This record gives sequence, C-alpha cells and structure tokens, in this order.
Amino acid sequence: EDKVVQSPLSLVVHEGDTVTLNCSYEVTNFRSLLWYKQEKKAPTFLFMLTSSGIEKKSGRLSSILDKKELFSILNITATQTGDSAVYLCASKAAGTASKLTFGTGTRLQVTL
Amino acid sequence: GAVVSQHPSRVICKSGTSVKIECRSLDFQATTMFWYRQFPKQSLMLMATSNEGSKATYEQGVEKDKFLINHASLTLSTLTVTSAHPEDSSFYICSAWTGDYGYTFGSGTRLTVV
Repeated sequence: EDKVVQSPLSLVVHEGDTVTLNCSYEVTNFRSLLWYKQEKKAPTFLFMLTSSGIEKKSGRLSSILDKKELFSILNITATQTGDSAVYLCASKAAGTASKLTFGTGTRLQVTL
Repeated sequence: GAVVSQHPSRVICKSGTSVKIECRSLDFQATTMFWYRQFPKQSLMLMATSNEGSKATYEQGVEKDKFLINHASLTLSTLTVTSAHPEDSSFYICSAWTGDYGYTFGSGTRLTVV
C-alpha cells in the first residue's frame, strides 16, 4: 500500500523564522512529489518535483526531492502570518493522470 | 486557465436523504476526475477516480452504492451521497487532471447531515 508521511504534524513559529517541513514516501511506480498549501478550502499548488537533487524555488519557498532516500523537504524562510496553513505533500505514480496519494499534512502556525 | 467549479460549497441535509455535489471544468476537458474526502484536521483521502464515459474506480473501503459517481461528459462529474447519515458529514473535494496545469482542485463542499 502506498504511504506518504509528513512531519512534524504541527508547528508553531514566530514571524521571521525559517521552517523545514518533511515528507517521506513509499510508493509503487513513483513519478513525482507535489506540495500544496491548504488554508480553508481547496489546496493550492506549490511545487512538483520529479528529478532528484534539483531545488525548486518560488519566493521564500523552496523544495527538493531525494529519490534515493525517498523524501522531500519544503523550506519557508522569513515566515509571515500569511504562511499559516496546512501544507500537504502528495505522491504521483507513473501515468499521465494517475491519482495522488496525500500525506498527513503539517499544520503551520506563524505568530507575531 | 484550468478552473474547476464545485457546487454547492456548503449543504445541510437530513439523515436518509441524498445529496448531489457537482464539479465542472470551466475551460478544459476533464477526462479524469478525482473525488476526495477530508475529515477535520486530517488529510485528503481519495475516494474514487472517475473517467468520462466509464465506471468510476473506487478505493478500498469506499462503498460505491453509497457514493455514486457519474462522469457523463468531459466537463461534468457528480458525486451523490445516498441515504446520508451523520457520519457522512465531511468536506468533499474534487480534482481534475488538466494536462498542462497538472491537477486543479474544486473549492470543496462541506456536507453536514443532521
């Protein structure tokens, strides 16, 4: 059975801190790892990682995938209160429109 | 581009009644649609995958007679919760494979069964 596990489950930091969120996976026919941010409703897409060791960056967020050790991290630098959300990672199996298997999520709260 | 419109956003129904949730792809053709369920403070659990014109594939443990999925056209997929019970109260969300834009999610439906 495919499994995606995130840690920590929840995190409270002060504005300006840097956080690292972890995602490990055990997935048959793994193709890509995706990160999403979920505030109140629909998850919004952050990154899709397919190649190992290549960092993807968007503003203060960055992510990298290690296909040998089967994990990914999401970094957020200089956190802001607007970063408070649940961060989800999901694995995508091979195949054009294959399903996503979501991790447990990390609930991040950024305080003033 | 690649927007999925999900309705209703919130619904309250009585036990024993059925509720239909719609997901429409507005500017692309969604050949594959995924339906998820999310309990409070938990992650998204895939319920089923629907392909236009064919029967949905349900995940293990999901009752297909209770959660009816129809994907009759390339722009519309529906999930009907039949004979709803309070334990069916949850957040239901659809997602479509868009091709170029990857996966896009509907805005979700919060179902409360009283």
